[in-house]
Amino acid sequence: GAGVSQSPSNKVTEKGKDVELRCDPISGHTALYWYRQSLGQGLEFLIYFQGNSAPDKSGLPSDRFSAERTGGSVSTLTIQRTQQEDSAVYLCASSPQVGTSNYGYTFGSGTRLTVV
Amino acid sequence: DQQVKQNSPSLSVQEGRISILNCDYTNSMFDYFLWYKKYPAEGPTFLISISSIKDKNEDGRFTVFLNKSAKHLSLHIVPSQPGDSAVYFCAASVRDSGYALNFGKGTSLLVTP
Repeated sequence: GAGVSQSPSNKVTEKGKDVELRCDPISGHTALYWYRQSLGQGLEFLIYFQGNSAPDKSGLPSDRFSAERTGGSVSTLTIQRTQQEDSAVYLCASSPQVGTSNYGYTFGSGTRLTVV
Repeated sequence: DQQVKQNSPSLSVQEGRISILNCDYTNSMFDYFLWYKKYPAEGPTFLISISSIKDKNEDGRFTVFLNKSAKHLSLHIVPSQPGDSAVYFCAASVRDSGYALNFGKGTSLLVTP
């Protein structure tokens, strides 16, 4: 597609439930990144993919968080047993390749997750 | 541990004047710096970047200055326009990190007519 697409745009879930957030990167972009922005905070790095592999998972806040990418395209971020502190806007970004920083990444509009 | 700091949460500037947004960082390994602009309910949009081998980069009304010895960078917008009203995020990266970006908390800029 023309841009990075994320779904759903909003998600309200009960504490303890699992959620899946989806990201469709720009076609042909091999690098894909997940960030989250909690209220009043900057963007926090979670994980990045080069193709289907994730060389750096250091940003995932706990083992309840996992992500995968298939076919070098769509990525899914899964949060198990959600907690209220997981409430945030989850942002996905893609770039043509890892290391192409001249123009930054292209971000999607994000998924606003609210855990009640 | 916040490695990129934007100490001014908000800034108000009159249309036509200069807007100066500041950013400090603590990690001397950072070698690439970017500014992003974010409107409500949208993802951040890349604005301008600078490599650590430069001290200035200009793109139209936007100029980024880097002072490596002070670990400080700033974004200048001249002249400021009402459409520039947004949250501006400073970000930094280390080349070997896969370009994972470290973001500041953002500065909300309001340009008044």
